Amino acid sequence: AQSVTQPDIHITVSEGASLELRCNYSYGATPYLFWYVQSPGQGLQLLLKYFSGDTLVQGIKGFEAEFKRSQSSFNLRKPSVHWSDAAEYFCAVGPPSGNTPLVFGKGTRLSVIA
Amino acid sequence: DAGVTQSPTHLIKTRGQHVTLRCSPISGHKSVSWYQQVLGQGPQFIFQYYEKEERGRGNFPDRFSARQFPNYSSELNVNALLLGDSALYLCASSLEGTASNQPQHFGDGTRLSIL
Repeated sequence: AQSVTQPDIHITVSEGASLELRCNYSYGATPYLFWYVQSPGQGLQLLLKYFSGDTLVQGIKGFEAEFKRSQSSFNLRKPSVHWSDAAEYFCAVGPPSGNTPLVFGKGTRLSVIA
Repeated sequence: DAGVTQSPTHLIKTRGQHVTLRCSPISGHKSVSWYQQVLGQGPQFIFQYYEKEERGRGNFPDRFSARQFPNYSSELNVNALLLGDSALYLCASSLEGTASNQPQHFGDGTRLSIL
């Protein structure tokens, strides 16, 4: 069965520091991979996605993620965090074909301190 | 253009009641999906509809049902509410089809509290 693991429940970083959020997946084939962000009281916004090709993908708000097949990982990074980045971040996987829906991880809550 | 809109934003019900949640997709989007997000968890898939037909169902009891209307809006119905149904219910729409490479656009959700 497909699964997504986000090992870090909560991360605190200083404003201006770099950020890496971890995501590992279990899937029979290389899935489509996504990162979403959720601010309090709001729905999910797509940050970036990986379907194929270049394993380093760029997203909105200065985020990027790197797909590593050998490690079944799709970690999210940002070189310099802003206070407005404080939110919940979800990694998700979807099948490269068919109608199986997205499977989400449990999320990582990011706090940003001055 | 308006994004995905959900109503109501908040709802309080008691055990045993039923509830109807509504979703209007982005104009032109034909696919609607419903997710349940329990506090502290990621969203969990409930249903997906495309062109008014159910195309996917998650591991939820028969108390949960949904439908999609000719204008592509959708309703999620939950009968015989349980305390465990307390959650944020998210609706997402996509332009075409049900493949996961179709970007999903999420609404802000309906917060359902069961007393």
